Amino acid sequence: DAGVTQSPTHLIKTRGQQVTLRCSPISGHKSVSWYQQVLGQGPQFIFQYYEKEERGRGNFPDRFSARQFPNYSSELNVNALLLGDSALYLCASSLAGGDTWELFFGEGSRLTVL
Amino acid sequence: TQLLEQSPQFLSIQEGENLTVYCNSSSVFSSLQWYRQEPGEGPVLLVTVVTGGEVKKLKRLTFQFGDARKDSSLHITAAQPGDTGLYLCAGGEYGNKLVFGAGTILRVKS
Repeated sequence: DAGVTQSPTHLIKTRGQQVTLRCSPISGHKSVSWYQQVLGQGPQFIFQYYEKEERGRGNFPDRFSARQFPNYSSELNVNALLLGDSALYLCASSLAGGDTWELFFGEGSRLTVL
Repeated sequence: TQLLEQSPQFLSIQEGENLTVYCNSSSVFSSLQWYRQEPGEGPVLLVTVVTGGEVKKLKRLTFQFGDARKDSSLHITAAQPGDTGLYLCAGGEYGNKLVFGAGTILRVKS
């Protein structure tokens, strides 16, 4: 079975641009979460979606938005990119959106902002 | 926001040595997880501990959750080069929101 897949794996943008990152969860998983991992730090929670509804939001500015589609795949959008947005963006899926702690992470999308 | 502090930040040891990584918080977590992350990959879940004082073993890895559910430790016996990686602890808040520590980089030399 395929794991969590993310695209693109690497991308380079310039300040002020916009980026869209995509995630396909494990088949049967209905919840998708997004995390940002800056070099040298642990991942930080950005969003959680379950059954197409936002279930949680971390301490990130409104430039960050996300959505989940009927097939449970998800997109993370970041507008007006800043240098500090350079990071590994991780998508994680789980069976449900409640207190289930078993998260399965994708390999991430490495974003570099110049 | 709850915080998790990991120590040490970096550990370089010889194959066959034992090591312990610590994860501490001033807050109580309902559960605590340990992940291992290799370069270019996402974190992979190693274990989840939920009960204060709980001890779990995974081959040469032993995980312990503190009695007050504020701290945890990971002990590796007879480390091997394949154990090299970034070890992350993460506390469960609500839903799928995890609070991660900054991680411990482990390098095992052969």
